[in-house]
Parts: sequence; C-alpha cells; structure tokens
Amino acid sequence: DAGVTQSPTHLIKTRGQQVTLRCSPKSGHDTVSWYQQALGQGPQFIFQYYEEEERQRGNFPDRFSGHQFPNYSSELNVNALLLGDSALYLCASSLGHGNTIYFGEGSWLTVV
Amino acid sequence: KQEVTQIPAALSVPEGENLVLNCSFTDSAIYNLQWFRQDPGKGLTSLLLIQSSQREQTSGRLNASLDKSSGRSTLYIAASQPGDSATYLCAVRTGFQKLVFGTGTRLLVSP
Repeated sequence: DAGVTQSPTHLIKTRGQQVTLRCSPKSGHDTVSWYQQALGQGPQFIFQYYEEEERQRGNFPDRFSGHQFPNYSSELNVNALLLGDSALYLCASSLGHGNTIYFGEGSWLTVV
Repeated sequence: KQEVTQIPAALSVPEGENLVLNCSFTDSAIYNLQWFRQDPGKGLTSLLLIQSSQREQTSGRLNASLDKSSGRSTLYIAASQPGDSATYLCAVRTGFQKLVFGTGTRLLVSP
C-alpha cells in the first residue's frame, strides 16, 4: 500500500519563476492538504482540497494556488517565487473527517 | 488564534531512560491531537492520534495523553533507544483537515 507520494523531491528555482509540486494521496484517501515547513519550524497550513475544491486556506498569499484532480491527486503552484518561499513543502492526505492524517516525504524547494 | 507550544525545545538523554515530551495549546476547541516524528530532512511519520473525547492512546513504547480542558498533551516514551532520536511534533486539528503544529522537540538518545 503506497503512502503519500510527492514529486519532485528537490528543486532549485530562480526568484520570480513559477513552480508546480505534485502529490498522490494514500490509496483510498479523498482529502489532500499542503503545508510549508521552514527550517527549524513546524509545518504551516497552506490549503486543503476535497472534491476538487479548495475547502480551507491558511494565511498564504494568492501566489499560492492549487488543484485537485478527479483521482484525488493534487498540485501546488507558487508564482513569482521569493527567496522566502524556500522551504520543505509537505502534502498530507486523509479519508474524511477526524481520521489520521498521513504525510509524504516532501519537496525541498530552494529559491536563489 | 490557536497556538501550540512544545517544551522542551531539545532534550538529550542516555539510552534506556523514560522521558516525557510536553505540548500545550491555547484553544480547547479541537477535533483531535496527533503526534508525529520527523527525521532530519524527511517527512512526518504519524505516531499517535487522540480524539478530543479520549484521554490517552498507546502504541508500543509510546503513550500519549490529552487533557483538553487544560490544553495539554504529553508523549511518554519508555525505555528510549538511539533509534528514537528525531524531532517530535504535536499538532491539533482545528478544521476539516487543518493542523496547527508546535515547533517540535528535538530528541537525542545516546548509546
């Protein structure tokens, strides 16, 4: 049973560019969330997708957008990259409400 | 606004010791609380989930307790091993799938 899978694992982008990160949820899970984790900090909630719609959003600018596909996989897009966007981006999935949330290994983004 | 605090920020113990990690949160209106482990440069591994109606959960050498009214949770690790060395994060669930995390406790268990 594959867990939450994310790609790419590492990437380097230049300030001002755009990036797309991808996530496949754990088998059977229908809800996907994205988190940003800066070095030495706890993860911060970006947004959550359920039934292909953004259901909840954290305190992140509109440069951060996402999408969920009919197979429940998801993408996180970040436009106009800033140096401060350098972080580990984590995808999480769960089935419904109140159940254990599982995380992927993350995508390391470095903006230079 | 929900805030989660973890104490201590770092902990170093010799192998075999029993230890307690603390987590506190400011708003008791939570759905559940989850403890995670994070190895350096890696993602999060779920350890224990405690629903808001529960008082504790156990898995092997790990025991987590929850006192929702006082806004506190503890993670007890029995007979610590070097392989337990990692950062431990607690998170409270405040929305459908929104977790609010603490900054973690970095644990080092020496042989």
